[in-house]
Amino acid sequence: DIQMTQSPSSLSASVGDRVTITCQASQDISNYLNWYQQKPGKAPKLLIYDASNLETGVPSRFSGSGSGTDFTFTISSLQPEDIATYYCQQYDNLPSWTFGQGTKVEIK
Amino acid sequence: QVQLVQSGAEVKKPGASVKVSCKASGYTFTSYGISWVRQAPGQGLEWMGWISAYNGNTNYAQKLQGRVTMTTDTSTSTAYMELRSLRSDDTAVYYCARVGTVTTYFDYWGQGTLVTVSS
Repeated sequence: DIQMTQSPSSLSASVGDRVTITCQASQDISNYLNWYQQKPGKAPKLLIYDASNLETGVPSRFSGSGSGTDFTFTISSLQPEDIATYYCQQYDNLPSWTFGQGTKVEIK
Repeated sequence: QVQLVQSGAEVKKPGASVKVSCKASGYTFTSYGISWVRQAPGQGLEWMGWISAYNGNTNYAQKLQGRVTMTTDTSTSTAYMELRSLRSDDTAVYYCARVGTVTTYFDYWGQGTLVTVSS
Protein backbone atom coordinates (compact mmCIF):
# COMPACT_ATOMS: atom_id res chain seq x y z
CA ASP A 1 0.00 0.00 0.00
CA ILE A 2 1.10 3.55 -0.73
CA GLN A 3 1.64 5.60 2.43
CA MET A 4 1.13 9.35 2.59
CA THR A 5 3.05 11.54 5.02
CA GLN A 6 1.51 14.98 5.48
CA SER A 7 3.16 17.77 7.46
CA PRO A 8 2.88 19.68 9.61
CA SER A 9 0.00 18.23 11.64
CA SER A 10 -0.96 21.74 12.71
CA LEU A 11 0.15 25.30 12.14
CA SER A 12 -0.69 28.77 13.35
CA ALA A 13 -0.30 31.78 11.07
CA SER A 14 -1.42 35.38 10.82
CA VAL A 15 -3.97 36.74 8.39
CA GLY A 16 -2.16 37.53 5.15
CA ASP A 17 0.62 35.00 5.72
CA ARG A 18 1.70 32.46 3.15
CA VAL A 19 0.93 28.93 4.36
CA THR A 20 2.53 25.77 2.98
CA ILE A 21 1.61 22.14 3.62
CA THR A 22 3.53 19.19 2.21
CA CYS A 23 2.55 15.65 1.39
CA GLN A 24 5.01 12.88 0.56
CA ALA A 25 4.08 9.56 -1.03
CA SER A 26 5.97 6.34 -0.31
CA GLN A 27 6.25 5.70 -4.06
CA ASP A 28 5.75 7.53 -7.33
CA ILE A 29 2.09 8.48 -7.77
CA SER A 30 2.58 10.72 -10.83
CA ASN A 31 0.15 13.62 -10.32
CA TYR A 32 -2.62 11.59 -8.68
CA LEU A 33 -2.82 13.88 -5.68
CA ASN A 34 -5.79 15.92 -4.48
CA TRP A 35 -6.31 18.43 -1.68
CA TYR A 36 -9.44 18.92 0.43
CA GLN A 37 -10.55 21.45 3.02
CA GLN A 38 -12.72 20.38 5.93
CA LYS A 39 -14.37 22.77 8.33
CA PRO A 40 -15.71 21.51 11.69
CA GLY A 41 -18.94 19.55 11.35
CA LYS A 42 -18.87 19.72 7.56
CA ALA A 43 -18.03 17.35 4.75
CA PRO A 44 -14.67 17.81 3.02
CA LYS A 45 -14.53 20.10 0.01
CA LEU A 46 -12.34 19.53 -3.04
CA LEU A 47 -9.87 22.38 -3.62
CA ILE A 48 -7.11 21.03 -5.87
CA TYR A 49 -7.16 17.96 -8.11
CA ASP A 50 -4.41 16.20 -10.05
CA ALA A 51 -1.78 18.00 -7.98
CA SER A 52 -2.19 21.48 -9.43
CA ASN A 53 -5.65 22.05 -10.90
CA LEU A 54 -7.93 24.46 -9.06
CA GLU A 55 -11.49 23.20 -8.67
CA THR A 56 -14.11 25.52 -10.15
CA GLY A 57 -15.16 28.23 -7.75
CA VAL A 58 -12.18 27.86 -5.43
CA PRO A 59 -10.31 31.13 -4.72
CA SER A 60 -7.03 31.57 -6.55
CA ARG A 61 -5.09 32.04 -3.30
CA PHE A 62 -5.13 28.23 -3.08
CA SER A 63 -2.63 26.35 -5.21
CA GLY A 64 -0.89 23.02 -5.47
CA SER A 65 2.29 21.72 -7.06
CA GLY A 66 4.46 18.65 -7.32
CA SER A 67 4.63 15.27 -8.99
CA GLY A 68 6.09 11.88 -8.28
CA THR A 69 6.46 11.65 -4.51
CA ASP A 70 6.59 15.24 -3.24
CA PHE A 71 3.67 17.64 -3.26
CA THR A 72 2.96 21.09 -1.86
CA PHE A 73 -0.26 22.93 -1.06
CA THR A 74 -0.12 26.70 -0.60
CA ILE A 75 -2.44 29.41 0.63
CA SER A 76 -0.84 32.58 -0.69
CA SER A 77 -2.54 34.96 1.76
CA LEU A 78 -4.31 33.33 4.69
CA GLN A 79 -7.86 34.56 5.31
CA PRO A 80 -10.00 34.05 8.43
CA GLU A 81 -12.39 31.81 6.49
CA ASP A 82 -9.49 29.46 5.65
CA ILE A 83 -9.45 28.11 9.21
CA ALA A 84 -9.95 24.39 8.63
CA THR A 85 -8.20 21.06 8.40
CA TYR A 86 -6.59 20.25 5.06
CA TYR A 87 -6.05 16.75 3.71
CA CYS A 88 -4.07 15.40 0.81
CA GLN A 89 -5.40 12.31 -0.96
CA GLN A 90 -3.61 9.98 -3.34
CA TYR A 91 -5.19 7.72 -5.93
CA ASP A 92 -4.00 4.21 -6.72
CA ASN A 93 -5.07 2.48 -9.90
CA LEU A 94 -7.15 -0.27 -8.26
CA PRO A 95 -9.08 1.99 -7.69
CA SER A 96 -8.25 2.93 -4.14
CA TRP A 97 -7.40 6.09 -2.29
CA THR A 98 -5.42 7.09 0.80
CA PHE A 99 -5.69 10.30 2.79
CA GLY A 100 -2.89 12.11 4.54
CA GLN A 101 -3.17 12.61 8.29
CA GLY A 102 -4.45 16.18 7.95
CA THR A 103 -3.13 19.65 8.81
CA LYS A 104 -5.11 21.87 11.14
CA VAL A 105 -4.68 25.54 10.22
CA GLU A 106 -5.36 28.17 12.88
CA ILE A 107 -5.07 31.95 13.06
CA LYS A 108 -2.30 33.33 15.27
CA GLN B 1 -27.45 20.71 -9.04
CA VAL B 2 -25.59 17.64 -7.88
CA GLN B 3 -26.68 16.42 -4.45
CA LEU B 4 -25.88 13.40 -2.33
CA VAL B 5 -28.32 13.02 0.56
CA GLN B 6 -27.54 10.45 3.22
CA SER B 7 -29.76 8.65 5.70
CA GLY B 8 -30.02 9.72 9.31
CA ALA B 9 -27.96 8.97 12.39
CA GLU B 10 -27.89 5.44 13.78
CA VAL B 11 -27.15 3.93 17.18
CA LYS B 12 -26.16 0.28 17.15
CA LYS B 13 -24.97 -2.29 19.65
CA PRO B 14 -21.64 -4.08 19.24
CA GLY B 15 -21.98 -7.02 16.88
CA ALA B 16 -24.90 -5.51 14.97
CA SER B 17 -24.95 -4.26 11.36
CA VAL B 18 -25.72 -0.86 9.91
CA LYS B 19 -26.75 0.12 6.40
CA VAL B 20 -26.30 3.73 5.32
CA SER B 21 -27.90 5.10 2.15
CA CYS B 22 -26.77 7.86 -0.18
CA LYS B 23 -29.35 9.17 -2.65
CA ALA B 24 -27.93 10.97 -5.67
CA SER B 25 -29.62 13.60 -7.80
CA GLY B 26 -28.70 16.18 -10.40
CA TYR B 27 -26.53 13.92 -12.58
CA THR B 28 -26.57 10.61 -14.43
CA PHE B 29 -26.02 8.16 -11.59
CA THR B 30 -24.52 5.37 -13.69
CA SER B 31 -21.86 7.65 -15.17
CA TYR B 32 -20.00 7.91 -11.87
CA GLY B 33 -18.79 5.86 -8.95
CA ILE B 34 -19.39 6.33 -5.27
CA SER B 35 -16.73 6.11 -2.59
CA TRP B 36 -17.35 5.85 1.13
CA VAL B 37 -15.16 7.64 3.65
CA ARG B 38 -15.43 7.60 7.42
CA GLN B 39 -14.13 9.85 10.16
CA ALA B 40 -13.91 8.77 13.80
CA PRO B 41 -14.42 11.52 16.39
CA GLY B 42 -11.49 13.92 16.34
CA GLN B 43 -9.65 11.82 13.75
CA GLY B 44 -8.75 12.04 10.08
CA LEU B 45 -10.43 10.73 6.95
CA GLU B 46 -10.36 7.01 6.17
CA TRP B 47 -11.25 5.68 2.72
CA MET B 48 -13.50 2.60 3.03
CA GLY B 49 -14.20 1.53 -0.51
CA TRP B 50 -15.60 2.30 -3.95
CA ILE B 51 -18.40 1.05 -6.13
CA SER B 52 -19.05 1.68 -9.78
CA ALA B 53 -22.67 2.70 -10.31
CA TYR B 54 -22.27 1.58 -13.93
CA ASN B 55 -21.52 -2.09 -13.38
CA GLY B 56 -21.42 -2.65 -9.61
CA ASN B 57 -17.68 -3.36 -9.48
CA THR B 58 -16.25 -2.76 -6.02
CA ASN B 59 -12.94 -2.34 -4.25
CA TYR B 60 -12.79 -2.27 -0.46
CA ALA B 61 -10.09 -1.12 1.92
CA GLN B 62 -8.15 -4.13 3.09
CA LYS B 63 -8.87 -3.56 6.79
CA LEU B 64 -12.64 -3.73 6.14
CA GLN B 65 -12.63 -6.73 3.77
CA GLY B 66 -15.23 -9.24 4.90
CA ARG B 67 -17.22 -6.76 7.00
CA VAL B 68 -18.32 -4.18 4.43
CA THR B 69 -20.56 -4.44 1.39
CA MET B 70 -21.34 -1.61 -1.01
CA THR B 71 -24.25 -1.77 -3.42
CA THR B 72 -26.26 0.49 -5.68
CA ASP B 73 -29.88 0.66 -6.80
CA THR B 74 -29.85 2.34 -10.19
CA SER B 75 -33.66 2.56 -10.27
CA THR B 76 -33.55 5.01 -7.36
CA SER B 77 -30.02 6.41 -7.88
CA THR B 78 -29.09 5.29 -4.39
CA ALA B 79 -25.86 3.83 -3.05
CA TYR B 80 -25.68 1.76 0.12
CA MET B 81 -22.90 0.86 2.51
CA GLU B 82 -23.45 -1.99 4.96
CA LEU B 83 -20.99 -2.61 7.78
CA ARG B 84 -21.34 -5.78 9.87
CA SER B 85 -20.01 -7.01 13.21
CA LEU B 86 -19.84 -3.46 14.51
CA ARG B 87 -17.30 -2.56 17.18
CA SER B 88 -16.93 0.56 19.28
CA ASP B 89 -14.12 1.80 17.03
CA ASP B 90 -16.57 1.86 14.10
CA THR B 91 -18.20 4.89 15.74
CA ALA B 92 -17.71 7.59 13.14
CA VAL B 93 -19.31 9.92 10.65
CA TYR B 94 -19.72 8.08 7.36
CA TYR B 95 -19.64 10.04 4.09
CA CYS B 96 -20.44 9.08 0.52
CA ALA B 97 -18.70 10.96 -2.27
CA ARG B 98 -19.00 11.01 -6.05
CA VAL B 99 -16.02 10.04 -8.16
CA GLY B 100 -15.80 10.14 -11.94
CA THR B 101 -15.02 7.16 -14.13
CA VAL B 102 -11.97 8.86 -15.61
CA THR B 103 -11.18 11.22 -12.77
CA THR B 104 -9.50 10.47 -9.47
CA TYR B 105 -11.06 12.95 -7.08
CA PHE B 106 -14.21 13.23 -4.97
CA ASP B 107 -16.05 16.27 -6.25
CA TYR B 108 -19.35 16.05 -4.36
CA TRP B 109 -19.96 14.73 -0.87
CA GLY B 110 -22.96 13.74 1.18
CA GLN B 111 -23.68 15.51 4.44
CA GLY B 112 -22.45 12.61 6.55
CA THR B 113 -24.18 10.03 8.75
CA LEU B 114 -23.16 9.56 12.37
CA VAL B 115 -23.05 5.91 13.39
CA THR B 116 -22.61 5.33 17.11
CA VAL B 117 -21.73 1.86 18.37
CA SER B 118 -22.41 1.50 22.05
CA SER B 119 -23.69 -1.13 24.43
